[in-house]
Amino acid sequence: GQNIDQPTEMTATEGAIVQINCTYQTSGFNGLFWYQQHAGEAPTFLSYNVLDGLEEKGRFSSFLSRSKGYSYLLLKELQMKDSASYLCAAIDSNYQLIWGAGTKLIIKP
Amino acid sequence: GAVVSQHPSWVICKSGTSVKIECRSLDFQATTMFWYRQFPKQSLMLMATSNEGSKATYEQGVEKDKFLINHASLTLSTLTVTSAHPEDSSFYICSAREGDSYNEQFFGPGTRLTVL
Repeated sequence: GQNIDQPTEMTATEGAIVQINCTYQTSGFNGLFWYQQHAGEAPTFLSYNVLDGLEEKGRFSSFLSRSKGYSYLLLKELQMKDSASYLCAAIDSNYQLIWGAGTKLIIKP
Repeated sequence: GAVVSQHPSWVICKSGTSVKIECRSLDFQATTMFWYRQFPKQSLMLMATSNEGSKATYEQGVEKDKFLINHASLTLSTLTVTSAHPEDSSFYICSAREGDSYNEQFFGPGTRLTVL
């Protein structure tokens, strides 16, 4: 079956760095998205990776290793507003998005 | 970036009534629209995928006669929850994508449905 695994919850300190991991098992692979979702709101796009390597975008970076079925989202210089759920989603061979359950990130002062 | 709107933002209705939720892409043509449901503290659950002018493809376990989806134009899709019951109370989110499957999905702000 197809599966996305990511930690349920993580806690980090304001100003620090946190890495949220995501492993996927899909039938075929056509890329991976990371979305941010604040409570009570819809998800917003953060990144898309389809090639191996690191994509940097400001304070947020996303990494992909296709051979390992692994991705991570790296958040630097954490701010209180970064407290949210972070959703990992992989595109399978049928171009369907397979969603992870999300990682709730709690930022402490 | 691309904008997707949803209407209404929230709705409260009595059990047995029907509710229609609209999803619009405001500045792009949405070749494909998706409808999700999200229960508290849970991840998104895809309900159905619709392409403009065709019938929606429903995920396993989603009743197509209960959740009617219409994607009549490249900028509008509607979800009608028929004969709503309290267990249908949830956060319904639509997303839209332009072009091929590699493009990101742009999400609407969501509609919170409460069925009394």
